[in-house]
Amino acid sequence: KAGVTQTPRYLIKTRGQQVTLSCSPISGHRSVSWYQQTPGQGLQFLFEYFSETQRNKGNFPGRFSGRQFSNSRSEMNVSTLELGDSALYLCASSLLSYEENIQYFGAGTRLSVL
Amino acid sequence: AQSVTQLDSQVPVFEEAPVELRCNYSSSVSVYLFWYVQYPNQGLQLLLKYLSGSTLVESINGFEAEFNKSQTSFHLRKPSVHISDTAEYFCAVSEVHTGNQFYFGTGTSLTVIP
Repeated sequence: KAGVTQTPRYLIKTRGQQVTLSCSPISGHRSVSWYQQTPGQGLQFLFEYFSETQRNKGNFPGRFSGRQFSNSRSEMNVSTLELGDSALYLCASSLLSYEENIQYFGAGTRLSVL
Repeated sequence: AQSVTQLDSQVPVFEEAPVELRCNYSSSVSVYLFWYVQYPNQGLQLLLKYLSGSTLVESINGFEAEFNKSQTSFHLRKPSVHISDTAEYFCAVSEVHTGNQFYFGTGTSLTVIP
């Protein structure tokens, strides 16, 4: 079974631009969560989608948005990029059952904002 | 909201020595507990988990963690570390029956010294 796939792996953008990151979850997983990882801050939760609906949201500005498609693939969009948005963005998928409430992570997309 | 504390941000240890990485969480409700490991330029990999049953859980590469409900702790231990254990370790908590939001600690950087 294929793991969580994130594309692209690396991105370089300039301030003010927008960016879209993609995440394909493990087959059969309907929950997708997004995290921002920066040195010293650890993993900060962005949002979680389940069956195309955003169920949980972290404390990030409205420039950060996401969506989930009917095949459970998810995209994350950041508009009007700022230097502080440089980070590793991680996507995790989950089967979401009480027997196996585990998040499986992709390799991440490293975004550099210049 | 949950709070996960990893008190040690960096832990240097000599090869073949024992190590303990500490994790405490804030919840008084039933929780699932996880340790993830992250190698450079990679995503997070599940190291071990506590969902229910025995409070002592083990991984295939010699790590173990013990769930202590009274102390709300889930410390990670290994009796003899290897160079290949050098990585970032994250403790995570999710609350049973409240969905799929995971709360992560800020991570502990384990460096094994030859």
